[in-house]
Amino acid sequence: DQQVKQNSPSLSVQEGRISILNCDYTNSMFDYFLWYKKYPAEGPTFLISISSIKDKNEDGRFTVFLNKSAKHLSLHIVPSQPGDSAVYFCAVRPGGSQGNLIFGKGTKLSVKP
Amino acid sequence: EAGVTQFPSHSVIEKGQTVTLRCDPISGHDNLYWYRRVMGKEIKFLLHFVKESKQDESGMPNNRFLAERTGGTYSTLKVQPAELEDSGVYFCASSQVEEPLRETQYFGPGTRLLVL
Repeated sequence: DQQVKQNSPSLSVQEGRISILNCDYTNSMFDYFLWYKKYPAEGPTFLISISSIKDKNEDGRFTVFLNKSAKHLSLHIVPSQPGDSAVYFCAVRPGGSQGNLIFGKGTKLSVKP
Repeated sequence: EAGVTQFPSHSVIEKGQTVTLRCDPISGHDNLYWYRRVMGKEIKFLLHFVKESKQDESGMPNNRFLAERTGGTYSTLKVQPAELEDSGVYFCASSQVEEPLRETQYFGPGTRLLVL
């Protein structure tokens, strides 16, 4: 059974608008969360992360929000740019400080000019 | 600085054959991970090396898969004999041990394996 769920396989947004990608997880013990971006024929690239002691982390146009009670996190991209078009993976690291990642299935974001 | 490299980029083999995938991590990275993405599904963890030692191999699907990391540098993943369900993209990732609280795994481009 999936421990990390990205229920939207795809999302289309107009350039300049906000993109919101969502992710749900099942285990309340998870304490470190990451977002990766993937272009075709490339490996995933780390984007931003958040630990469970925070509810928000911001890096430029990218902000990750964590709602522990709902076991939900989201990635906001604002303003969205055509170069942001990629597959975005939500991941958790159950081992704490290091170790394997558990990924969601990904959401394909298309940003239209 | 060179990133994680993987060879080959693509491999097409017949069921029952053997295939060996190679990963060269970023220089100096002690952690090396193998993951696999089967078509339409999530990226799944296979195993984790710290230097030449297997730290966690709980994700290895069965004993047809053998991973090695001799000398703690590059790693190989051998599938013998290959089955149809082994088709997918195999990713390698590496990270530095010195930053455990903010460990970032850097991924290679993957090897696309197709078993016919």
